[in-house]
Amino acid sequence: AQKVTQAQTEISVVEKEDVTLDCVYETRDTTYYLFWYKQPPSGELVFLIRRNSFDEQNEISGRYSWNFQKSTSSFNFTITASQVVDSAVYFCALRPASGGSYIPTFGRGTSLIVHP
Amino acid sequence: DGGITQSPKYLFRKEGQNVTLSCEQNLNHDAMYWYRQDPGQGLRLIYYSQIVNDFQKGDIAEGYSVSREKKESFPLTVTSAQKNPTAFYLCASSRPGQPVGKLFFGSGTQLSVL
Repeated sequence: AQKVTQAQTEISVVEKEDVTLDCVYETRDTTYYLFWYKQPPSGELVFLIRRNSFDEQNEISGRYSWNFQKSTSSFNFTITASQVVDSAVYFCALRPASGGSYIPTFGRGTSLIVHP
Repeated sequence: DGGITQSPKYLFRKEGQNVTLSCEQNLNHDAMYWYRQDPGQGLRLIYYSQIVNDFQKGDIAEGYSVSREKKESFPLTVTSAQKNPTAFYLCASSRPGQPVGKLFFGSGTQLSVL
């Protein structure tokens, strides 16, 4: 069974603050994929990143960075110098790399509110 | 532009009524999914289909039904057996190697009970 835990239900920050969204996962699979999606107020989830379980390199994309640590089963997401447009619900997801139905399991989401 | 279209954006259901949520995609994706989103609950899988004329139950399929007669369409019916249908419903699709596992989502349908 797979499980994704996003312990932070809601985070409130002031613009330009850095913020980290936590994601902890559980899986028995040896190979898997991890994802982050953003859901702005419009409702449509937007794909942000995918990470393979065998690639522990951290990734940076503009103000976004992701820290994958297999030893602690975590895949945390940091936004540097947050902006009001970053306000959204962010979901972490996990999917097996082989076997099964390839259906991703989502966490409960973290609502990020960035105040001007 | 390619994408997923969900309609209607808002839907109201009366007691004992079946309602159908539409999901159409022009991405030529084989797999389609229906998720239910409740506040604080994240996304829960209702049904999914990996190919035309085939679909599988997800984690919370009771009270719902689907069909997949065409590749581009995956309608969801919320039946009267679903006693707590008020939620935000999201349709998604995917294609192998897109990258692997990446889902494309529609903008959702908010269903409420009158």
